[in-house]
Formats: sequence, structure tokens, C-alpha cells
Amino acid sequence: EAQVTQNPRYLITVTGKKLTVTCSQNMNHEYMSWYRQDPGLGLRQIYYSMNVEVTDKGDVPEGYKVSRKEKRNFPLILESPSPNQTSLYFCASQQPSTDTQYFGPGTRLTVL
Amino acid sequence: AQSVSQHNHHVILSEAASLELGCNYSYGGTVNLFWYVQYPGQHLQLLLKYFSGDPLVKGIKGFEAEFIKSKFSFNLRKPSVQWSDTAEYFCAVNDYKLSFGAGTTVTVRA
Repeated sequence: EAQVTQNPRYLITVTGKKLTVTCSQNMNHEYMSWYRQDPGLGLRQIYYSMNVEVTDKGDVPEGYKVSRKEKRNFPLILESPSPNQTSLYFCASQQPSTDTQYFGPGTRLTVL
Repeated sequence: AQSVSQHNHHVILSEAASLELGCNYSYGGTVNLFWYVQYPGQHLQLLLKYFSGDPLVKGIKGFEAEFIKSKFSFNLRKPSVQWSDTAEYFCAVNDYKLSFGAGTTVTVRA
């Protein structure tokens, strides 16, 4: 089944404790992206990757890092999480020719 | 990047009522347009999309949307909603990157 998976789905952590949210897709898509969803703000792009070893900042990259060592994986790293990073995070992948993004199930992160 | 406006934050209606959600984007040029739906506790799913051709596009679950280029609009419609349409709906516009609106929460009362 074609899908985007994320882990963990729920995470509660404390300020400053490094964490990684994994994202994996099995559709061989070149483009992958991370979003955060906050009430009243919709989805805002954090980082995106056009292909392996190619990443770039989205609209709200501060406090986040990503890497793209393999085509299928695109982890999101919070080196020192802060409470304002409490949010719902979505990973997405896309084949550029179709221009349609497929979303993962989301990761609800709470930073205390 | 585009700025995407969704006119309503929260819409409440009864089953069998008609639904129309407004979406406007900020400037013209070649754009691709999308409506995504997020059911409670689930991830975003594509409802429909417009790339070119007939400005009236039909999607899944009886939804349709009309692209009006002169108004920079892409409004979503459904003639008769069901309780299962309770969800959050997002309009998105792609010129060189995908930009989302803030979302509209739709609550359908049985």
C-alpha cells in the first residue's frame, strides 16, 4: 500500500531534550516536506527536500533541522525543543510531475 | 509565495444542507489548486484538484469546486452534506510551492 509513515504519532517531551520524528515513504517520490499545523494558521512548511542530499528552508525553519540521506526517509530533528514547537507535524511526499502531495498520519508533539 | 484566504473559520449546518466554502489566493499566473480534507484524528486527504481545463472539477464524496480565474477563487461545494462530512477543510495553492489556507472547520449536525 502506498503510504507515508511517521513515528512517533504522539510525543510529550521537555524543553531542551533533543528529539527526532521519522518520516518514510514507499512511493519512490523525490520531493518530501515537513509541515506544522497550528489552530487558525493552517499548515506551514518547515523544510522541504527536492531529492537526496538536497534540502531547503520553508516558511518556518527556525529551531528545526532535517536530513535526506536516502530517498525514502526524511527525518525532522529538534535539537533543543521549546514550548512554542508544541504542534501537530505532518510529513508529505510528492512526485513533481503529479503536483499532488501525500500526507503522513501526523505527529502530535507537546513540549513542556 | 501565495497567500491563501479561507473565508470561514467554522461552519455549522444540518444534514442535507448545502455547503460552500470560499477560497481566494493572492495573485495570478499559472497555479494548481487543491482542496484537502482532514477528518477528526486523521491525516490530510486530497478531495480534488485543478490543474487546467474545465474550471468545474469534481472530487470524491460528492464534492466539487469551481475555479474562477478573474476572482482568484476556488470555492468548494457540496449540494447535500452528511454527518460524515464533519471535518476540517483546507484550500491549497501551488505556484512554485504549496501554500495552505488556515482551514475551515465544518460541523454537520444530524
